[in-house]
Amino acid sequence: AQSVTQPDIHITVSEGASLELRCNYSYGATPYLFWYVQSPGQGLQLLLKYFSGDTLVQGIKGFEAEFKRSQSSFNLRKPSVHWSDAAEYFCAVGASYSGGGADGLTFGKGTHLIIQP
Amino acid sequence: EADIYQTPRYLVIGTGKKITLECSQTMGHDKMYWYQQDPGMELHLIHYSYGVNSTEKGDLSSESTVSRIRTEHFPLTLESARPSHTSQYLCASRRDSNYGYTFGSGTRLTVV
Repeated sequence: AQSVTQPDIHITVSEGASLELRCNYSYGATPYLFWYVQSPGQGLQLLLKYFSGDTLVQGIKGFEAEFKRSQSSFNLRKPSVHWSDAAEYFCAVGASYSGGGADGLTFGKGTHLIIQP
Repeated sequence: EADIYQTPRYLVIGTGKKITLECSQTMGHDKMYWYQQDPGMELHLIHYSYGVNSTEKGDLSSESTVSRIRTEHFPLTLESARPSHTSQYLCASRRDSNYGYTFGSGTRLTVV
């Protein structure tokens, strides 16, 4: 069964500093990987996704993520965070097939990002 | 601009009431999903559909039911709400397996 681990429940970063959020996955085949952001009381907004090809993926709001198959990781990065980046961040893995069984996403528990002035 | 809509955004209801959470998308997506998210927790898939008249249960057992009579509409129903059903319910859709998922804003349900 697929699983996602986000080791950091909370991360505090100073505004303007760089950010890296960790994500490790377990999946038997080639995974589809996603990062979503959720502001309080809101739904999820897709930041970026990896399906295949270039392992460094660019997303919205200045975020990027790198797929490392050897480490089963898909860490999210941003060179300089803004106060508006404070939110909950979820890494997710999805099935890379459209065959039988649920192809919904498996989510990590999320990382709560706090931005300090 | 959201292409997937959930109503209501917030709902407080008494125990034993029947409720339906609405989810509609205007993108013509065949695949639709319902996730449940408890406060401060990850999301769990509770229902999904691959098209009209297709509904399946997800990874997390749920007492809710769903229907898919029209492509754009995927409502979730609780026949008799209980406090244990208090949660946020998020609806999502996607075109097919080669595309990402689009999420609605969610319905935050409180059963008292």
